[in-house]
Amino acid sequence: EAGVTQFPSHSVIEKGQTVTLRCDPISGHDNLYWYRRVMGKEIKFLLHFVKESKQDESGMPNNRFLAERTGGTYSTLKVQPAELEDSGVYFCASSQGPAGEQYFGPGTRLTVT
Amino acid sequence: AQRVTQPEKLLSVFKGAPVELKCNYSYSGSPELFWYVQYSRQRLQLLLRHISRESIKGFTADLNKGETSFHLKKPFAQEEDSAMYYCALSPYNQGGKLIFGQGTELSVKP
Repeated sequence: EAGVTQFPSHSVIEKGQTVTLRCDPISGHDNLYWYRRVMGKEIKFLLHFVKESKQDESGMPNNRFLAERTGGTYSTLKVQPAELEDSGVYFCASSQGPAGEQYFGPGTRLTVT
Repeated sequence: AQRVTQPEKLLSVFKGAPVELKCNYSYSGSPELFWYVQYSRQRLQLLLRHISRESIKGFTADLNKGETSFHLKKPFAQEEDSAMYYCALSPYNQGGKLIFGQGTELSVKP
């Protein structure tokens, strides 16, 4: 069975541009989480979906970030407009239940120049 | 405040030596604690969680509520244990989100 997949694996964009990251969770996993690791810092929680509903978006840094999970399957995370401090690795994870083991994707490395 | 602290950025030991990766947490309730590991060129994966009280790949971790610690231990390190190790906390009834420490890179030398 395929694990969590993320696309693209690496994105380089200029400040002010828009980027959309995609996450495909493990089939049947209702819970989907986004995290990011900014250079030199810890992995930080961004938000949590249960099916198509945002359960917790307390970690979203500001309104330049928009996450969606239409249909409760894959999720997208859009950054518009991107700033230099948005550079980092964005991870997606999924689990069957909220207390279940989270399975992580390989991450998307975002570089904003 | 909910926080996880891993005081060592890098820990280097020789093969066969004991290893202890430190993790302290700050949380007012009863947390669920985890150790995640990321081997080179692989994705982050769960190593162990305190409620299961298992030993995985020879690693164990005991939750010490008095000291608010969840240190990861292995009596005899192997070269294949070299990886980034992250301690994480999941606050009670907050949907399972994880709060990570900064990670410790373990390097096991031959």
